[in-house]
Amino acid sequence: LAKTTQPISMDSYEGQEVNITCSHNNIATNDYITWYQQFPSQGPRFIIQGYKTKVTNEVASLFIPADRKSSTLSLPRVSLSDTAVYYCLGSSGNTPLVFGKGTRLSVIA
Amino acid sequence: EAGVTQFPSHSVIEKGQTVTLRCDPISGHDNLYWYRRVMGKEIKFLLHFVKESKQDESGMPNNRFLAERTGGTYSTLKVQPAELEDSGVYFCASSRTSVSYNEQFFGPGTRLTVL
Repeated sequence: LAKTTQPISMDSYEGQEVNITCSHNNIATNDYITWYQQFPSQGPRFIIQGYKTKVTNEVASLFIPADRKSSTLSLPRVSLSDTAVYYCLGSSGNTPLVFGKGTRLSVIA
Repeated sequence: EAGVTQFPSHSVIEKGQTVTLRCDPISGHDNLYWYRRVMGKEIKFLLHFVKESKQDESGMPNNRFLAERTGGTYSTLKVQPAELEDSGVYFCASSRTSVSYNEQFFGPGTRLTVL
């Protein structure tokens, strides 16, 4: 499973767009890039997953360049409730997830 | 659909005692995983069940930990005897079987404190 690198923390004001970039230089060919969100005292929650190019759902967008060595999670117009830790992982099929330290996003009013 | 549930939410025990954690996955999910986060560390994988079979238990720290999933439904994780370093949050997750898509649904976790 790919080792991922992402910023330890980020701050943002409410209403701004937040982009969190993750590096995964050695991602396996069959791995998808997956992002999870975790609030305090809760388990991680799946946000979005993609293989290449762009994926968008009701929560976020995920941009993956052709070389797949990095990816960017984009959260549009964040609110205070988006304050959480965001994890980038490489995963495939029904394999165990490998969590790094994640990015702690703090949204400020 | 109901989410993954875990019981208890908190457990405080003394070193040397036994504790059993329970996880009820989402109905119909064949895959069940146990993870844990010890203080200040990342979330680490413990083991993976497919139905009632242990698919991967490479993350189990030692033989004081025993996981079961009889009948392929709920799972238990027993720690016997508990040590101080076992303190942490134990998460359970479940998922459907898929070749590529890997969305795991996590429970709220059980916070274990060993004194």
